[in-house]
Amino acid sequence: QQQVKQSPQSLIVQKGGISIINCAYENTAFDYFPWYQQFPGKGPALLIAIRPDVSEKKEGRFTISFNKSAKQFSLHIMDSQPGDSATYFCAASQTTGANNLFFGTGTRLTVIP
Amino acid sequence: GAGVSQSPSNKVTEKGKDVELRCDPISGHTALYWYRQSLGQGLEFLIYFQGNSAPDKSGLPSDRFSAERTGGSVSTLTIQRTQQEDSAVYLCASSLVSVTGDEQFFGPGTRLTVL
Repeated sequence: QQQVKQSPQSLIVQKGGISIINCAYENTAFDYFPWYQQFPGKGPALLIAIRPDVSEKKEGRFTISFNKSAKQFSLHIMDSQPGDSATYFCAASQTTGANNLFFGTGTRLTVIP
Repeated sequence: GAGVSQSPSNKVTEKGKDVELRCDPISGHTALYWYRQSLGQGLEFLIYFQGNSAPDKSGLPSDRFSAERTGGSVSTLTIQRTQQEDSAVYLCASSLVSVTGDEQFFGPGTRLTVL
């Protein structure tokens, strides 16, 4: 059972455009929602994370929007650049437990110059 | 400083053989996780170590999988009698503590291919 559902599976965006990736979760005990970026041949690296006490978090060109009532969160990449081309994973965890991350299935982003 | 390292980077084995995968976490990190990344499936939690506590093995897919962590540092994931469906990238992550949602730092992974 996929605890975190992610869409789209792939995304192509023009340079300078906005990339939007969406995730939904079921377990209301989740209280930590990170996004990871993964380049080919590398392990995932934390990009940005949010906790459910805020509805939005922005770091540079990257913004997480969080809707607790809908159990959804999304990643927005503003002014997308070719160097942003990678696979993005949303995840969720319950920090009062083992804090193991439940990952979405990933979105392969391609930014066209 | 050094990040999480894993070895080997690639492993090709024959069905039925045993394999051992190694993870060296970041020094001082008390929490260590193993995940499996299959094509198109995202990352799947396997096992978690926190300090000297008993490991959380709830994600291990079968009793052919086991892991240990020696001296609170290096960890080894062992897969016995490998099957073709075990082919995946095995990722190790470590974090300073686990209960606060501290960032998990991932290694580059070991790509396992079972022929």
